[in-house]
Amino acid sequence: AQSVTQLDSQVPVFEEAPVELRCNYSSSVSVYLFWYVQYPNQGLQLLLKYLSGSTLVKGINGFEAEFNKSQTSFHLRKPSVHISDTAEYFCAVSSPGTSYGKLTFGQGTILTVHP
Amino acid sequence: GAGVSQSPSNKVTEKGKDVELRCDPISGHTALYWYRQSLGQGLEFLIYFQGNSAPDKSGLPSDRFSAERTGGSVSTLTIQRTQQEDSAVYLCASQSGGETQYFGPGTRLLVL
Repeated sequence: AQSVTQLDSQVPVFEEAPVELRCNYSSSVSVYLFWYVQYPNQGLQLLLKYLSGSTLVKGINGFEAEFNKSQTSFHLRKPSVHISDTAEYFCAVSSPGTSYGKLTFGQGTILTVHP
Repeated sequence: GAGVSQSPSNKVTEKGKDVELRCDPISGHTALYWYRQSLGQGLEFLIYFQGNSAPDKSGLPSDRFSAERTGGSVSTLTIQRTQQEDSAVYLCASQSGGETQYFGPGTRLLVL
């Protein structure tokens, strides 16, 4: 079984400040890792994903994440946030295999960017 | 091209009624997923269709929930005898070969 823990339910930051949203996962098999963003009243949009290779992954809107296998973490970072980054962010895992696309999500982190 | 579409966008129903939620995946996508997003449970996997294979129904919470996918394209999620705890946003996603799932905007279901 897999599980994902997002350590912060809410993260308030000021505009242009850096931000880190934390994600830890648990799995007995190899994993794919994802970050999705959800703007109010919208569906989920993929920010970035780690499948294999370089542990530093760059995504859209200036976000990046680093896969750390020893710490089973996949934290999301952005060096300077904008008001428009206010949204809910979800970390998710899946595993290669028969139902490899089945995503297990964390509980989400609400990022609020203040002017 | 067009993304994943879902209908209705909002549905209000009375406890005990049946509801049908529809998902139109991206054309050509062979895999289709249903998820549920609720305040108490977060985002949960419900069911997964892949081509002509038997669906993975392991996430369906009760036998009141069922889903079908006709012709490998459109999918319908049916909830029979709705309960108040079924109130949630139901999200559909489609996928083609790779690992990225593309999500629709969801159907907001409110059971009174």
